[in-house]
Amino acid sequence: DVKVTQSSRYLVKRTGEKVFLECVQDMDHENMFWYRQDPGLGLRLIYFSYDVKMKEKGDIPEGYSVSREKKERFSLILESASTNQTSMYLCASSPPAPNYGYTFGSGTRLTVV
Amino acid sequence: AQKVTQAQTEISVVEKEDVTLDCVYETRDTTYYLFWYKQPPSGELVFLIRRNSFDEQNEISGRYSWNFQKSTSSFNFTITASQVVDSAVYFCALIYNNNDMRFGAGTRLTVKP
Repeated sequence: DVKVTQSSRYLVKRTGEKVFLECVQDMDHENMFWYRQDPGLGLRLIYFSYDVKMKEKGDIPEGYSVSREKKERFSLILESASTNQTSMYLCASSPPAPNYGYTFGSGTRLTVV
Repeated sequence: AQKVTQAQTEISVVEKEDVTLDCVYETRDTTYYLFWYKQPPSGELVFLIRRNSFDEQNEISGRYSWNFQKSTSSFNFTITASQVVDSAVYFCALIYNNNDMRFGAGTRLTVKP
């Protein structure tokens, strides 16, 4: 069964900590994405990557960075966590053709205290 | 601008009622793809349907049906004879030329027994 796996389901971190959210896919997809989900705002794109070592900013990249050293792994980094980054984070992957849509992970609910 | 609007924030129905979830989109592209995803309480987004901009045929899958109308830029989703298991957040989404998926804010559907 193909899947996208996010390493943590729930995380609690302190303000100012550096936080790593990991995402791994086993479908050999070229494209990977990070979204955050907040009530009333839907899913908003943070960063995406179309290839290894490649990254592009989405709609809300401020306060985040990403790393894609291997095709199957796409990491989201909060350099200095803040309370306004408390959210649900969803990782997704897709093949190059846009008509296939995305496969999503189960999400990581991050709380910054 | 590419945009997806789901005007209904929350809908509550009683089991066996029919319910329609509205989705209106904006795009300047002539080629695009529309999707519906279901997010149950577990958090993972589950793919329901994909439609490309050249295929305006409506689709029925069991109790689910979709009505795509380019003239009104709408892609509405109807659940017939709703069940408690249909309770979830439903997202409409749009992919356009660069394979970025844009989501609506989501509609939370509650089906009461």
